[in-house]
Amino acid sequence: EAQVTQNPRYLITVTGKKLTVTCSQNMNHEYMSWYRQDPGLGLRQIYYSMNVEVTDKGDVPEGYKVSRKEKRNFPLILESPSPNQTSLYFCASSAQTSGASYEQYFGPGTRLTVT
Amino acid sequence: AQKVTQAQTEISVVEKEDVTLDCVYETRDTTYYLFWYKQPPSGELVFLIRRNSFDEQNEISGRYSWNFQKSTSSFNFTITASQVVDSAVYFCALSGKSRDDKIIFGKGTRLHILP
Repeated sequence: EAQVTQNPRYLITVTGKKLTVTCSQNMNHEYMSWYRQDPGLGLRQIYYSMNVEVTDKGDVPEGYKVSRKEKRNFPLILESPSPNQTSLYFCASSAQTSGASYEQYFGPGTRLTVT
Repeated sequence: AQKVTQAQTEISVVEKEDVTLDCVYETRDTTYYLFWYKQPPSGELVFLIRRNSFDEQNEISGRYSWNFQKSTSSFNFTITASQVVDSAVYFCALSGKSRDDKIIFGKGTRLHILP
């Protein structure tokens, strides 16, 4: 089944404790992206990647890191999480290198709480 | 700068009524792409439609229809004969060359279909 998976789905952590949210797609997609969803703010793009070893900042990259060492994986890293990073996070992928211009397939979401 | 405005934060209609969700966008690009995504109560994000700036034809898919008007910078979404299963948050989104490969989402419209 074609899908984007994220782990964990739920995470409660404390300020400053490094964490990684994994994202994996099995569709051989070029483009992958991370978003955060907050009440009243909609979805905002954090980082995206147009291919292996190519990553770029979205609109809200502060406090986050990403890497794209393999085509299928695009982990989101919070080196020192803070409470303002409490949010619902989505990973997405697209078949096209210019993924923002095409349909994106979203993962199920990761609800992160930082206390 | 690019911007997407979904002025309707929340709408409630009775089942079988028609409902239109508004989306107004701003962009200086001549080539750009517009999208609608649905987020049902279960939380996943589902792609509904993609439209490029050169295609102003309206589109109909079952009970769903989209009205793209460049003259008013709008890309409105109408659900005909609404059903309870249409209850969801709907996001309009925009991408274009001036923002490299980034996408910007509106804040979403929460639609309640009352039985």
